[in-house]
Amino acid sequence: DAGITQSPRYKITETGRQVTLMCHQTWSHSYMFWYRQDLGHGLRLIYYSAAADITDKGEVPDGYVVSRSKTENFPLTLESATRSQTSVYFCASSNWGLAGVVSEQYFGPGTRLTVT
Amino acid sequence: SQQGEEDPQALSIQEGENATMNCSYKTSINNLQWYRQNSGRGLVHLILIRSNEREKHSGRLRVTLDTSKKSSSLLITASRAADTASYFCATFNAGNNRKLIWGLGTSLAVNP
Repeated sequence: DAGITQSPRYKITETGRQVTLMCHQTWSHSYMFWYRQDLGHGLRLIYYSAAADITDKGEVPDGYVVSRSKTENFPLTLESATRSQTSVYFCASSNWGLAGVVSEQYFGPGTRLTVT
Repeated sequence: SQQGEEDPQALSIQEGENATMNCSYKTSINNLQWYRQNSGRGLVHLILIRSNEREKHSGRLRVTLDTSKKSSSLLITASRAADTASYFCATFNAGNNRKLIWGLGTSLAVNP
């Protein structure tokens, strides 16, 4: 299917376990982003990537690892999950806009992660 | 850190009425974008307005931008129950073009 997909949609895991959230887009967009959304904090950027093999930290990167070996995939790994990482995680993609400014972002449906 | 601040935090109106949401920001921008999020869903891009534009329309949506006041407003005319959602503004800062800075959103309830 065309678009941006995330898997799993729901995940329950225990503290200390490693968890990987998957993100796949079919548009060949250059940029991809991972956000977490929590009540009272809005959307916070975890990591982003400008292209394959290029990643950079966002606002809240601690405890997370990303990779981007292929343009279409951008997995997010929680190395050792903590309760504070319970959240809804959104992946997004975007392409270059006018004069190199990134244009609108396209969001996946989200992954609701609960760490017990 | 959040740059955009939406106002009001919550808004409840009747179907057919207009809904106005405001967004203020702190630093210079390249563009400002508005997104909608239905409950339990991802965000959907609504409209983008560049820093050299003052007003933009898309269907029942009208967005204004006042760079001197560092503020924007989103007007939804003739609202429908399906417009019930949270609305977020996001800005691209002039010095950091690759990332959006998000506000906390306005929760809109349109009552039938």
